[in-house]
Amino acid sequence: SQTIHQWPATLVQPVGSPLSLECTVEGTSNPNLYWYRQAAGRGLQLLFYSVGIGQISSEVPQNLSASRPQDRQFILSSKKLLLSDSGFYLCACRRQGNEQYFGPGTRLTVT
Amino acid sequence: QKEVEQDPGPLSVPEGAIVSLNCTYSNSAFQYFMWYRQYSRKGPELLMYTYSSGNKEDGRFTAQVDKSSKYISLFIRDSQPSDSATYLCAMSVSGSARQLTFGSGTQLTVLP
Repeated sequence: SQTIHQWPATLVQPVGSPLSLECTVEGTSNPNLYWYRQAAGRGLQLLFYSVGIGQISSEVPQNLSASRPQDRQFILSSKKLLLSDSGFYLCACRRQGNEQYFGPGTRLTVT
Repeated sequence: QKEVEQDPGPLSVPEGAIVSLNCTYSNSAFQYFMWYRQYSRKGPELLMYTYSSGNKEDGRFTAQVDKSSKYISLFIRDSQPSDSATYLCAMSVSGSARQLTFGSGTQLTVLP
């Protein structure tokens, strides 16, 4: 079965600073990869998904971007963080079935 | 109207109770249905996955899908304090990317 790693686990960044969150997947190849954001007390908002290397689809226009430089690596970035970027960021993986499996998440606080 | 509606709770029950968690949806194209459990400050964990109407049982958990009514449920028997978490329903249509649409989650507390 696959294992999803995310780092860092927690991050506190000032407004206007850059961001890079990393997700790596073990135990599977050619997965679909997803970035979600979960605001406090709210559901999961899909931000980006990728069906292969270099292939990124954006679901919500925003201050963030994503890249997939390797098959099992997915990166979420921002050039200048906003206060509204605070939240819990989750990476997920889908193999051949329909269900998705989630990583442990990164809690981002923008101050 | 949201595509997926889920009662946010919070829901508080005594240990040993049967818990019923529910979601309704409006998109008849949804074919695959999942329930996730999320402990505080953790990533969601897949509990149940089903794609047909009817019941699917796994230990103390039963997932029920009624496609004609656009309604899904998760039942937890003999609830335990360790079941205290937020439960998220999720569903998807057929397609290459299979994006999930989530409910907003129900916060459950099982009191010892």
